[in-house]
Amino acid sequence: AQKVTQAQTEISVVEKEDVTLDCVYETRDTTYYLFWYKQPPSGELVFLIRRNSFDEQNEISGRYSWNFQKSTSSFNFTITASQVVDSAVYFCALRGSARQLTFGSGTQLTVLP
Amino acid sequence: NAGVTQTPKFQVLKTGQSMTLQCAQDMNHNSMYWYRQDPGMGLRLIYYSASEGTTDKGEVPNGYNVSRLNKREFSLRLESAAPSQTSVYFCASTPAGTRGNTIYFGEGSWLTVV
Repeated sequence: AQKVTQAQTEISVVEKEDVTLDCVYETRDTTYYLFWYKQPPSGELVFLIRRNSFDEQNEISGRYSWNFQKSTSSFNFTITASQVVDSAVYFCALRGSARQLTFGSGTQLTVLP
Repeated sequence: NAGVTQTPKFQVLKTGQSMTLQCAQDMNHNSMYWYRQDPGMGLRLIYYSASEGTTDKGEVPNGYNVSRLNKREFSLRLESAAPSQTSVYFCASTPAGTRGNTIYFGEGSWLTVV
């Protein structure tokens, strides 16, 4: 079985602060993919990033960066210089040998002006 | 750019009523999914269809049935709605092939059972 844990239920920061969203996963598969999705208040799910289990390089995309560490089974997401528009629920997800995506419970991020 | 389209977007049902959520994708994807989202629990898989003609149970299938009508369409039916099925439902699809393929989601269907 696979499992994704997002221990931070809610995070509140002031605009321009950096914030890191934690994601810890469990799987017996050696080949798997990790994903982050964003769910803004409008409700849709927006794909942010995909990372495979053989690629531990950190990735940066604008203000977003991701830190994948197999040794600690973590795939953390950092937003630099947060903005009000970053307010959303963020989901980490895992897809291994099973065909479906397993989601964490999500982290509600609120960025205050 | 339609992508994954779900209908209806909002629905209120009385306990015991039945209804079908419709989902269609125009990306020629093989695999389709139905998830439900409840507060504090993330998204949980109800049913999925790896390809046309096949369906499999996910984590929370009880009280639901599905039909993969053709490659484009995957419907979710509640035969006798219960208040516990009040939730937001998401349909999703992905191409066949590697497990790394991005899964695309519809905009969600808000269902309330009273």
